[in-house]
Amino acid sequence: KQEVTQIPAALSVPEGENLVLNCSFTDSAIYNLQWFRQDPGKGLTSLLLIQSSQREQTSGRLNASLDKSSGRSTLYIAASQPGDSATYLCAGGGSGAGSYQLTFGKGTKLSVIP
Amino acid sequence: NAGVTQTPKFRILKIGQSMTLQCTQDMNHNYMYWYRQDPGMGLKLIYYSVGAGITDKGEVPNGYNVSRSTTEDFPLRLELAAPSQTSVYFCASKQTGSGNQPQHFGDGTRLSIL
Repeated sequence: KQEVTQIPAALSVPEGENLVLNCSFTDSAIYNLQWFRQDPGKGLTSLLLIQSSQREQTSGRLNASLDKSSGRSTLYIAASQPGDSATYLCAGGGSGAGSYQLTFGKGTKLSVIP
Repeated sequence: NAGVTQTPKFRILKIGQSMTLQCTQDMNHNYMYWYRQDPGMGLKLIYYSVGAGITDKGEVPNGYNVSRSTTEDFPLRLELAAPSQTSVYFCASKQTGSGNQPQHFGDGTRLSIL
C-alpha cells in the first residue's frame, strides 16, 4: 500500500526566499506524482504533474522533481511571495489497477511573511 | 467553463439522516472520484468511476453509496449519517486513465453530523 509523507507540516519563510517542500513515498512503482495547492476553504488546484518517466516539471516559479529510486519528490518555489501562502499537497498515482487512484500526503502549510 | 461543481457547499445533518452530495462536471471527463478530507489529514478516496455505469470502491467506502448514470454527474449518497462522517468532501474528475492528466477538483462540501 502506497504511503505518502510530507515534512515539515508547516513552514514559515520571509518574502523573497527560495524554498523547497518535500514529499516521500513508499512504493517506487509510482504512476505519476502530482502537486496541489489548497487555499483555506477551497478545493485543490493542480500545480504540476510528473509522469513516472519524467524527472521534473516546471511552471513559472515552480519546479517539481521526482526521484523514484529514492522515493522522493520536491517542490521548489523561487522568490516566494505572500500570495504563495497556502497548503501544498503531494499525491502519488498508483500503477496498474491502482492507476485510477491518488494517495495524498497530509500537506505542508506554507506562510510567506511580507 | 465551470469545471467541477459541487452542491451544497455546507450542510448540517442530524445523526441517522440521509442526504446526497451532488457533483457535476462539464469537461466530458470519463473518470470521477469522491474524496473526504478530515482536519490535518490528506484526502482519502471513497469511490471512483471510470465511466457511466461503472463504479468501484476506494479506501474508505463504508457508509456511502454512489451511482454514475451519466458522464457529467457522480452523486454521493449517505444513508444513515454518523458523527464519523463529519468531514469535507471533494469531487474530482480526469479525462482518461493516462498518467499525464491531472485530476480537477471542486470546491468541496463541508458536512457536519450532529
